[in-house]
Amino acid sequence: GESVGLHLPTLSVQEGDNSIINCAYSNSASDYFIWYKQESGKGPQFIIDIRSNMDKRQGQRVTVLLNKTVKHLSLQIAATQPGDSAVYFCAENLTGGGNKLTFGTGTQLKVEL
Amino acid sequence: NAGVMQNPRHLVRRRGQEARLRCSPVKGHSHVYWYRQLPEEGLKFMVYLQKENIIDESGMPKERFSAEFPKEGPSILRIQQVVRGDSAAYFCASSPPGPTEAFFGQGTRLTVV
Repeated sequence: GESVGLHLPTLSVQEGDNSIINCAYSNSASDYFIWYKQESGKGPQFIIDIRSNMDKRQGQRVTVLLNKTVKHLSLQIAATQPGDSAVYFCAENLTGGGNKLTFGTGTQLKVEL
Repeated sequence: NAGVMQNPRHLVRRRGQEARLRCSPVKGHSHVYWYRQLPEEGLKFMVYLQKENIIDESGMPKERFSAEFPKEGPSILRIQQVVRGDSAAYFCASSPPGPTEAFFGQGTRLTVV
């Protein structure tokens, strides 16, 4: 079936370290992936996206890697800051479904001072 | 440039009452999506609408739930005869024709007592 899941429900890192959040997806037909950040009591906030014709994309302090061979997605956050503390979701776009996204259950990132 | 606006932010209903959730998309966006989020879980797709059309309602419960996106005015998610299991955060997102980034609102937190 179609599913998007995350390997680690909680990730604790020290301020200044790099964070890596992982995600597995099962639908090989998916062609668009997004990482969202959700702070408590707020809506998901777009971080970065990647299309299936790419394997890496960089933003400001964030990098997304896509490995289509093993259907794996990761989000790397450089020099993690306290403001990065949130739940991070990967989302998978189902081909032909407009922007109908399938979300994983999320990873809680905790930044320790 | 206003983002996706949802209201109310918090809604309390007694069992058996009706809940009406409103969503105004980003100006110029013609696609609206509704998602439901239970505590400690990811977002679950409910329905995808374009102006005056329901494109995909595969995530909507068969009974009591309905959605519309009229030619004028906000999108409405209506839940009739609410039950305690309907308590959740309901998020609306909008986008231009995709696949592309979807912008989320801050959500409506429905509590059924």
